[in-house]
Amino acid sequence: AQSVTQPDIHITVSEGASLELRCNYSYGATPYLFWYVQSPGQGLQLLLKYFSGDTLVQGIKGFEAEFKRSQSSFNLRKPSVHWSDAAEYFCAVGGPSGNTPLVFGKGTRLSVIA
Amino acid sequence: NAGVTQTPKFRVLKTGQSMTLLCAQDMNHEYMYWYRQDPGMGLRLIHYSVGEGTTAKGEVPDGYNVSRLKKQNFLLGLESAAPSQTSVYFCASRAYGDFTQYFGPGTRLLVL
Repeated sequence: AQSVTQPDIHITVSEGASLELRCNYSYGATPYLFWYVQSPGQGLQLLLKYFSGDTLVQGIKGFEAEFKRSQSSFNLRKPSVHWSDAAEYFCAVGGPSGNTPLVFGKGTRLSVIA
Repeated sequence: NAGVTQTPKFRVLKTGQSMTLLCAQDMNHEYMYWYRQDPGMGLRLIHYSVGEGTTAKGEVPDGYNVSRLKKQNFLLGLESAAPSQTSVYFCASRAYGDFTQYFGPGTRLLVL
């Protein structure tokens, strides 16, 4: 069965510092991987996704993620965090079978301090 | 193009009451999903639909029913609400062949 682990429940970074959010997945075939962001009181917005091809994918708001098959990871990075990046971040995994719903991790809450 | 909308935005129920949450999408998507979000639990899939007239159970279906009579609408029903169903409910949809899910703004439900 597919699963997603986000090891960090809460991360605090200083504004301007770099950020890496970890995501490890378990999936029996080629995974489709996603990062979503949820601002307080809002729905989920897609940051980026990986289906195939280049393992480094660029997303919105200056985020990027790297797929590493050997480590079953899809970590999210940003070189310089802005205060507006404070939110909850969810990693999700799905598969090429059309009927397979996405499985989400429990999320990582990001706080940004001045 | 409103995307995915959810009605109502907030509701308070008493234990034992029933209600229906409406999800509507105007993107002609085949797939629709209902999730609940609880602190520290992430998003858990309640029910989903792969097309008009079809529904399937997700991870936490007990206490909920769903219907997809029209392609654009996906209804989530609580027949007899319980305090354990206090949560934020999110609807999502996606197109066939595109695995990206698009989310609604959520419905906050409080069951007293």
